[in-house]
Amino acid sequence: GAVVSQHPSRVICKSGTSVKIECRSLDFQATTMFWYRQFPKQSLMLMATSNEGSKATYEQGVEKDKFLINHASLTLSTLTVTSAHPEDSSFYICSAHDRAHSGYTFGSGTRLTVV
Amino acid sequence: AQSVTQLGSHVSVSEGALVLLRCNYSSSVPPYLFWYVQYPNQGLQLLLKYTSAATLVKGINGFEAEFKKSETSFHLTKPSAHMSDAAEYFCAVSDQAGTALIFGKGTTLSVSS
Repeated sequence: GAVVSQHPSRVICKSGTSVKIECRSLDFQATTMFWYRQFPKQSLMLMATSNEGSKATYEQGVEKDKFLINHASLTLSTLTVTSAHPEDSSFYICSAHDRAHSGYTFGSGTRLTVV
Repeated sequence: AQSVTQLGSHVSVSEGALVLLRCNYSSSVPPYLFWYVQYPNQGLQLLLKYTSAATLVKGINGFEAEFKKSETSFHLTKPSAHMSDAAEYFCAVSDQAGTALIFGKGTTLSVSS
């Protein structure tokens, strides 16, 4: 089945630094990928929709200059948290739409801790 | 805009008992509906999905869900709970194939022996 690989699974960074999270579709082409954020014991909140070769569409309240999304190829989307602060600590999950199977596949998530 | 409501943030059952997790949707168009399971610090695993074919959808691990348009519901059931079913369950909706999934708040399922 469709597989989405997300790296790193865990990252700890210092306040003020930037962190890049990668999301790769391994066996299918993902023209659209989605980035979610999940706080402890809460649901997944959609941050942005990423389309290959075009600018991401951000949800209301999500700072596009802080959460940079790049989708330069059909198999790779990246989320960069710039100038990270402790309040950015969260679980970030990517998802890719597999058009061939009408399904959504999720990465295993990235636990970001900003200290 | 579409949305889902999961009734009950926490459900507790005994091993072998029926599992019923509730989900109601709101959508202006025929929806695509999904149930996912999440174990701690992991991503989401698809249990089943409804895409306007059969109203009774069978998924993995013995789970199934029935789409009821008249009740705008898509409740998840399993006849007999296992300890390994203890996890967080999310109902999700999209109004069009390929658009972002919108998730409910989730239901924590606890299974006791």
